[in-house]
Amino acid sequence: GQNIDQPTEMTATEGAIVQINCTYQTSGFNGLFWYQQHAGEAPTFLSYNVLDGLEEKGRFSSFLSRSKGYSYLLLKELQMKDSASYLCAVRPIYNTDKLIFGTGTRLQVFP
Amino acid sequence: EAGVAQSPRYKIIEKRQSVAFWCNPISGHATLYWYQQILGQGPKLLIQFQNNGVVDDSQLPKDRFSAERLKGVDSTLKIQPAKLEDSAVYLCASSPMGTGFFSTEAFFGQGTRLTVV
Repeated sequence: GQNIDQPTEMTATEGAIVQINCTYQTSGFNGLFWYQQHAGEAPTFLSYNVLDGLEEKGRFSSFLSRSKGYSYLLLKELQMKDSASYLCAVRPIYNTDKLIFGTGTRLQVFP
Repeated sequence: EAGVAQSPRYKIIEKRQSVAFWCNPISGHATLYWYQQILGQGPKLLIQFQNNGVVDDSQLPKDRFSAERLKGVDSTLKIQPAKLEDSAVYLCASSPMGTGFFSTEAFFGQGTRLTVV
């Protein structure tokens, strides 16, 4: 089975850096996604990691360690519009089109 | 490119009534998903189609929920009869069929917010 853990809530200040962690236990693993979801809206894709290491995309970076079952999403130069939920999702190796989501981390950015 | 279309956006029904949701995926996407998202939680996969076949429906409450994708394009999800705990946002998503290691992301529709009273 799969178990995906994320902190429920985080707060940060505008202009700061925040790291959102995700740990997973899965019987087989084929990649990890991060999605952003603003309140009342659909999730939108942020990043995908399948190999160990850091993927950088503008202000957002995502890191994966397959051996540790660990990922994080790093948000730099925080803006008010970054207030949203951040969802970690894994693709199991037995069904490479399936997406299993964690509970999500609600981030609030304050001025 | 047009995104994933869902309707209706909102629906309020009484418990024990039935309801249906419709989804039209991005053109050419073989895989279609229905997720249930209860307030404050992450999306939970209900059913996954590849073309018109079911790949995974292990978490679909089959005594009351049903879904079909008859022609491998659009899909409907039905609840009959609804319970109070079915109040949630129902999200439809689609993706091109993955190629194993080089999986692609799923694109989500705006969702249908269902309230059962």
